[in-house]
Amino acid sequence: GIQVEQSPPDLILQEGANSTLRCNFSDSVNNLQWFHQNPWGQLINLFYIPSGTKQNGRLSATTVATERYSLLYISSSQTTDSGVYFCAVGDTNQAGTALIFGKGTTLSVSS
Amino acid sequence: GAVVSQHPSWVICKSGTSVKIECRSLDFQATTMFWYRQFPKQSLMLMATSNEGSKATYEQGVEKDKFLINHASLTLSTLTVTSAHPEDSSFYICSAEREDSYEQYFGPGTRLTVT
Repeated sequence: GIQVEQSPPDLILQEGANSTLRCNFSDSVNNLQWFHQNPWGQLINLFYIPSGTKQNGRLSATTVATERYSLLYISSSQTTDSGVYFCAVGDTNQAGTALIFGKGTTLSVSS
Repeated sequence: GAVVSQHPSWVICKSGTSVKIECRSLDFQATTMFWYRQFPKQSLMLMATSNEGSKATYEQGVEKDKFLINHASLTLSTLTVTSAHPEDSSFYICSAEREDSYEQYFGPGTRLTVT
């Protein structure tokens, strides 16, 4: 099956710093989503981005499908950005395709 | 929009009892829902795919007789952990796929502790 690798596994930042999280996947994908898991376990949808670039406030994401990677950019980080960031992919273009998750990047932002 | 709820949010049960977890899509219809399991400081692992009106599809290594899934309507899927044991203690999370896209939305999770 498809493999999803995220890097770095851990990231420690000072408030206000910028960061880039990377997601590599081993095969073609038709679905790619970025999530933020908060301390209570809730997965929050950040981006649905099988290809291209999107921006939402301080966050943006780029997926280069032909090169099998996606990047999540966090600018001017805040303490509330702390948590685990997951990249997840689906490898078919059919409805009902489950997501395969990477191991996540744990981000800690200190004030 | 695109809200998924789970109930209960946490449950403690005794070994040998059964526990039912509900997953509801509140503002959209979902032909397909998914059940995941997450152990502390680990990623999400897919347990099964739940399809409305048909049998669930289980991942390899997941006991279908132990983890019963029912998807009775386009907004509700249930996971029943039968004869629970301490090793079943985990964080169970459901997701629902919108019918008009492939994007998935996740419930807040259910923390199960079996004593």
